[in-house]
Amino acid sequence: GESVGLHLPTLSVQEGDNSIINCAYSNSASDYFIWYKQESGKGPQFIIDIRSNMDKRQGQRVTVLLNKTVKHLSLQIAATQPGDSAVYFCAVPPTANFGNEKLTFGTGTRLTIIP
Amino acid sequence: DSGVTQTPKHLITATGQRVTLRCSPRSGDLSVYWYQQSLDQGLQFLIQYYNGEERAKGNILERFSAQQFPDLHSELNLSSLELGDSALYFCASSSRTSAVNNEQFFGPGTRLTVL
Repeated sequence: GESVGLHLPTLSVQEGDNSIINCAYSNSASDYFIWYKQESGKGPQFIIDIRSNMDKRQGQRVTVLLNKTVKHLSLQIAATQPGDSAVYFCAVPPTANFGNEKLTFGTGTRLTIIP
Repeated sequence: DSGVTQTPKHLITATGQRVTLRCSPRSGDLSVYWYQQSLDQGLQFLIQYYNGEERAKGNILERFSAQQFPDLHSELNLSSLELGDSALYFCASSSRTSAVNNEQFFGPGTRLTVL
């Protein structure tokens, strides 16, 4: 089955700096990827997604990079703010074509923004 | 506020007991997903319903069951509870069946503690 992992369980970044959170996946057929943010005491919240026909997608202060060759994606957060402190998960459905809803979540990286 | 509501917020019960967790999806969303989040297992997909019918099943124990009612709210029933069932249980909703290009909106979760 699909396995999704994150490289670092915790990451501390100075406020205003950029942060990079990494994620690796196992299924080379995976063609859709999602990043979620979970703040303390809340449910996960969608941040950004990317399809495998792209290698980069930008949102507001966030950029997701996809490297299909090494089955790796990253979430970059620019000019981090205290509100960015949260646990970040990457999530992967097994396949995009058949609408499979079994999202597999990575273990999460806890990002702490240091004032 | 995601628009997804879950009750109760906290639940404390004893081993062997049975509990019911309730979820109301966002207005208009037909899909409801249940997830379990524990410290050692991370966020695990349990089951999904779409418009009243079971759509996808994940790592859901036989002691657990769910249903979605005609008004689209959903209930997750956990029986013969064990200490290891202590976790956060999240409900999410989305407008379609596919996990692709179909953001899931998560509720605030129910924290279950089994003593």
